[in-house]
Amino acid sequence: AQTVTQSQPEMSVQEAETVTLSCTYDTSESDYYLFWYKQPPSRQMILVIRQEAYKQQNATENRFSVNFQKAAKSFSLKISDSQLGDAAMYFCAYRSRYGGSQGNLIFGKGTKLSVKP
Amino acid sequence: DSGVTQTPKHLITATGQRVTLRCSPRSGDLSVYWYQQSLDQGLQFLIQYYNGEERAKGNILERFSAQQFPDLHSELNLSSLELGDSALYFCASTGTGRDTQYFGPGTRLTVL
Repeated sequence: AQTVTQSQPEMSVQEAETVTLSCTYDTSESDYYLFWYKQPPSRQMILVIRQEAYKQQNATENRFSVNFQKAAKSFSLKISDSQLGDAAMYFCAYRSRYGGSQGNLIFGKGTKLSVKP
Repeated sequence: DSGVTQTPKHLITATGQRVTLRCSPRSGDLSVYWYQQSLDQGLQFLIQYYNGEERAKGNILERFSAQQFPDLHSELNLSSLELGDSALYFCASTGTGRDTQYFGPGTRLTVL
């Protein structure tokens, strides 16, 4: 069974600085997707970024980028120029490439990010 | 706004009662997933429906059941409620052949 581990329960960053959130996962599959979701105090789950495992190029969405290391099974999220609105829980999630019974998301425990003004 | 709607936003009920949570997926999405978020268990997959049929089951209790209707909205039924069922319940939807799930705003259930 696949597992996702986020080893940093809490992180803090100064406004305008850069922070990296860590995520490792365990799987025997070669094809899958990885996601970062943000959950602000409103509790809404918001997709931040998505990575396809068969693509070597790291995904980027504006100030958010990932460092995907497939061999190491590592998927970290880098937030550049941190803003107060980035303060939230961040969840790393894994999904098998093949849908059906394997299409659900498997989540890590989350990292609570605080942004200091 | 993800396009996924959930009602109600909040639900307060007593132990032993039964409740129904409703989810409408994004327009055109055939798959609906239900997840439970609790402090001790984190985010856990409960059940998936695709075009009206159950597709996969996760850590769903026997007291819980779900269905997806012809108009593709889904309902999660929770019965014989216990204090430990207090949680945030999310539904998410995705389109056929798509990999990204979009989440609704969730229903916060409090069992007293």
